[in-house]
Amino acid sequence: GAVVSQHPSRVICKSGTSVKIECRSLDFQATTMFWYRQFPKQSLMLMATSNEGSKATYEQGVEKDKFLINHASLTLSTLTVTSAHPEDSSFYICSARGSSSLRAVGEQFFGPGTRLTVL
Amino acid sequence: EDQVTQSPEALRLQEGESSSLNCSYTVSGLRGLFWYRQDPGKGPEFLFTLYSAGEEKEKERLKATLTKKESFLHITAPKPEDSATYLCAVQAANVYNFNKFYFGSGTKLNVKP
Repeated sequence: GAVVSQHPSRVICKSGTSVKIECRSLDFQATTMFWYRQFPKQSLMLMATSNEGSKATYEQGVEKDKFLINHASLTLSTLTVTSAHPEDSSFYICSARGSSSLRAVGEQFFGPGTRLTVL
Repeated sequence: EDQVTQSPEALRLQEGESSSLNCSYTVSGLRGLFWYRQDPGKGPEFLFTLYSAGEEKEKERLKATLTKKESFLHITAPKPEDSATYLCAVQAANVYNFNKFYFGSGTKLNVKP
């Protein structure tokens, strides 16, 4: 159980275009989903937290107009990188936490990640 | 400020040579401490959750322990397939974002046959 998928696993795009990444919880309902980015040999950096049906909470320094997050259902969240530039190239990883955690404490289950390369 | 520090940054072991990885944390109230394994180019894989000091969890060759200031991930008789980066994360009693995980920078483990 607790499987999270991401699509696509790898994307290459031209500078100035927009890219959408999907994150799905396959066997549980995720009230909260998280988006991270990871640079080579570095740890995960939280970009934003999204709760189903409400606006995402962005971390300091993350441009909300550039990284659009939608969490329209309990099993799907999307991250759209708008007007991508080479510096946006990174490994983007989503995670999800289930709705069964009554104490608001619980492990996050991660997707396999999406490698974005902007030319 | 909530902070998580992992050591060592990298660890090379011979197959069968047991060792421990450290995760030290400073948080304003611990809700949970989590261990993950990450292979290159993949998302982190969940290993353990620890909630209170004195708690221990085991899975195959791995054992995680927790005190009020740190957690250890003990690896007994490791095999080459245990090679990966091990990440520690804490969830703090942060009233502004109680969902947030604070990640350490990881320990890259390399087990030689």
